[in-house]
Formats: sequence, structure tokens, C-alpha cells
Amino acid sequence: EDQVTQSPEALRLQEGESSSLNCSYTVSGLRGLFWYRQDPGKGPEFLFTLYSAGEEKEKERLKATLTKKESFLHITAPKPEDSATYLCGLQRGGATNKLIFGTGTLLAVQP
Amino acid sequence: ETGVTQTPRHLVMGMTNKKSLKCEQHLGHNAMYWYKQSAKKPLELMFVYSLEERVENNSVPSRFSPECPNSSHLFLHLHTLQPEDSALYLCASSLRDRETDTQYFGPGTRLTVL
Repeated sequence: EDQVTQSPEALRLQEGESSSLNCSYTVSGLRGLFWYRQDPGKGPEFLFTLYSAGEEKEKERLKATLTKKESFLHITAPKPEDSATYLCGLQRGGATNKLIFGTGTLLAVQP
Repeated sequence: ETGVTQTPRHLVMGMTNKKSLKCEQHLGHNAMYWYKQSAKKPLELMFVYSLEERVENNSVPSRFSPECPNSSHLFLHLHTLQPEDSALYLCASSLRDRETDTQYFGPGTRLTVL
């Protein structure tokens, strides 16, 4: 069965303190692994799609990486405005484009 | 308007009411989705429409009834809901092709069932 597990559930960082969020997954035939950011009371905002092991993508202070079993979202020198819930979702190859999500990591960056 | 819009943003209804949620996408996409987001749970896919045809229904109770009149609009009709249906309902859209299928979300409707 396809599964996505995110850790930690919550993470508190000081401004400038770099860290990583983890997304472990099991799937038969990965089509894509997605990272989203969600602010309270809002819909998820698309960040990255990764398609194959070894792939990396960057956007400002965020960098996403992918292996055959997990993905990491690295946050370098975070700022308070990076505080949000980060969601990981996977999409299986085949006819369906269904996204299966983890429960997210709630990140709080303190000034 | 740009992106994916949803109305209303907040809705409070009694268990005997009938209401509808509306979603509109301005991205030229050909697939639309309804998700339910409850506290401490992953997003749950409810329905998928591709080219205005329902292609997935994840065992959702019949008190939720989707409608997709065209590729830009999606509705979720609600009737005789239960308190446990209180959640954030998210609409998303995507352009289905062979290479990529990134889903873009609306802001959601916060539903409270009394």
C-alpha cells in the first residue's frame, strides 16, 4: 500500500538555524513527489516536484532532494516568514493522478 | 481573478440544511479535485474530474454530491451533513498530461456543521 510519513510533526527553529524535514514513502512506481507549503487558514501552495532519485530543486532558502525511499526539504538560514506547515505528497504512475499526502510538519521560526 | 478561487470561504450549517461549495479555476486546466482536510489528518481525496467526467470517487458518503458543469467550474453539494464533516474543503486543479500533473489549490472553505 502506498504510504507517506513525515517527520518531525513539529519543529521549532531560531532564525538562521538551518534544518531538514523528512518525507519517507513507499509506492509502487513513483510518478512524482511533491512539496507544498500551507499557511494557517489557506490552501497548500506548490513548492517543488521531484521525479527521480538524485534529483534536487531549490527555491530561495529551500532545497528539496529525493532518494528511492525518502525526500528531504532543507531549510537554510530560515526566517520567521518561513513558518508554515510543509506537506509532502506522492503521485503513483499509471492512469490515476491521485496525490497521497503525509500529515505535514509544522515549522515555527522564532526571531 | 487568478489561480483557483473558492466560495464561500466560511460556512456554518445545520445538519438539515442544503448548501453548495463553489470552485473556479482560471489556469486553463482540464482536471479538478475536491479534498477534505481535518485536523491532524492527511488531506483526503474525495473526487476527481478529468475533462468534466468523474474519474474517481473515494468512497465518499452520498451526502456529498459533486458537479462539474465545465472544465473551469466545480461544485460540491452538501445535504444532511454530520458534525464530523466539519473540516476545511479544498479544491484543486491540474493540467493532465504525460509529463507532469501538478495540482494547484484554492484557499478552501472552512465548513462547520452544528
